[in-house]
Amino acid sequence: SAVISQKPSRDICQRGTSLTIQCQVDSQVTMMFWYRQQPGQSLTLIATANQGSEATYESGFVIDKFPISRPNLTFSTLTVSNMSPEDSSIYLCSVVMDRGEANYGYTFGSGTRLTVV
Amino acid sequence: DQQVKQNSPSLSVQEGRISILNCDYTNSMFDYFLWYKKYPAEGPTFLISISSIKDKNEDGRFTVFLNKSAKHLSLHIVPSQPGDSAVYFCAASGDQGAQKLVFGQGTRLTINP
Repeated sequence: SAVISQKPSRDICQRGTSLTIQCQVDSQVTMMFWYRQQPGQSLTLIATANQGSEATYESGFVIDKFPISRPNLTFSTLTVSNMSPEDSSIYLCSVVMDRGEANYGYTFGSGTRLTVV
Repeated sequence: DQQVKQNSPSLSVQEGRISILNCDYTNSMFDYFLWYKKYPAEGPTFLISISSIKDKNEDGRFTVFLNKSAKHLSLHIVPSQPGDSAVYFCAASGDQGAQKLVFGQGTRLTINP
């Protein structure tokens, strides 16, 4: 399966500032996903990062707040903009690889624990 | 609208016994299901998956059962070990061919010595 390096692993940020999270994969993947896990909650998909086109955002998430870059097939960034304490969460990137025969490998990065003060 | 539900927020099992974690889904378009284990401060770790063309998949101590008519899946861990203590998430994909995952709320499993 793919190996994902995600950084930073954690950060404490002031409200009103922005943080960019990086995700590097050791192999080329078509689709990369960004999830959020708020305290005590499940994982929620923010957007799908597509190489060569705009990211696709889920309901409740907008590009101005969570701009995403996908410059190539192994790298993506998620920016959390104009942060407020409500943005305090764990942010995770994920990739999926088609192994054939209806067998998909989904791998997650180790996550970025963001605290906004 | 919670499309994937884990109705038990926590489960406590004695070491060596069987742990059974349950998951229900409402969207009949889902065709691929996965179980993840998550420790605090780490990303989810993949455990096992099952395609909708199967009703059982086994990998070592982990077995996943899928009942499509009931829209229900379960994860069996036998025998349970202290290292299995973690939060377990079920997830589903495949709605309209999408590969994004929809997660349940998670079940915290505690294995008691």
